[in-house]
Amino acid sequence: SAVISQKPSRDICQRGTSLTIQCQVDSQVTMMFWYRQQPGQSLTLIATANQGSEATYESGFVIDKFPISRPNLTFSTLTVSNMSPEDSSIYLCSVEPLAGPRETQYFGPGTRLLVL
Amino acid sequence: GNSVTQMEGPVTLSEEAFLTINCTYTATGYPSLFWYVQYPGEGLQLLLKATKADDKGSNKGFEATYRKETTSFHLEKGSVQVSDSAVYFCALKGIQGAQKLVFGQGTRLTINP
Repeated sequence: SAVISQKPSRDICQRGTSLTIQCQVDSQVTMMFWYRQQPGQSLTLIATANQGSEATYESGFVIDKFPISRPNLTFSTLTVSNMSPEDSSIYLCSVEPLAGPRETQYFGPGTRLLVL
Repeated sequence: GNSVTQMEGPVTLSEEAFLTINCTYTATGYPSLFWYVQYPGEGLQLLLKATKADDKGSNKGFEATYRKETTSFHLEKGSVQVSDSAVYFCALKGIQGAQKLVFGQGTRLTINP
């Protein structure tokens, strides 16, 4: 398994501002992902963070709104830009130590974001 | 495409009751199947997994068997505790294409003493 930490754990932000969420893993991992969990909902994949190249975004999510960085194999950031109250969610970082269909994804504790 | 359907919640049981949370899936081939649990105010934790037909995943008294014939992966526990109160997510990972993790909608479980 992998130990994943996220910063901040929670934040309250004003609309129109941006917040950058950090994800740190205790070991090198192949795959890193960012998910959104809106209140009372399941998880939705935002993007796959690729090391050394642009992230791969899912339908409905764009780089201008959710820029992602992954400078190395243990760290990634997600920025929520120009926030609105609809962005209030839990944002979760997830990692897959080794790529493959039988491999397990592990999740961080999440960042709870409230936009006023 | 791949999809997961869970029984709708919320589910409320008394302590020591038997628990079943139904999960069925649609996928090509033999996906890997997972149950994750989200305790109040926390992230997701892997509860158990199964990667091939007839495999049984188990952890913390919970069990789920990979049933290819019924495309199901129902979660069971013989005697639940108050500490099992959480949201449970069934998920699958396909063996073809992007191999993304696909989640069910989640089932909120409350155990009363």
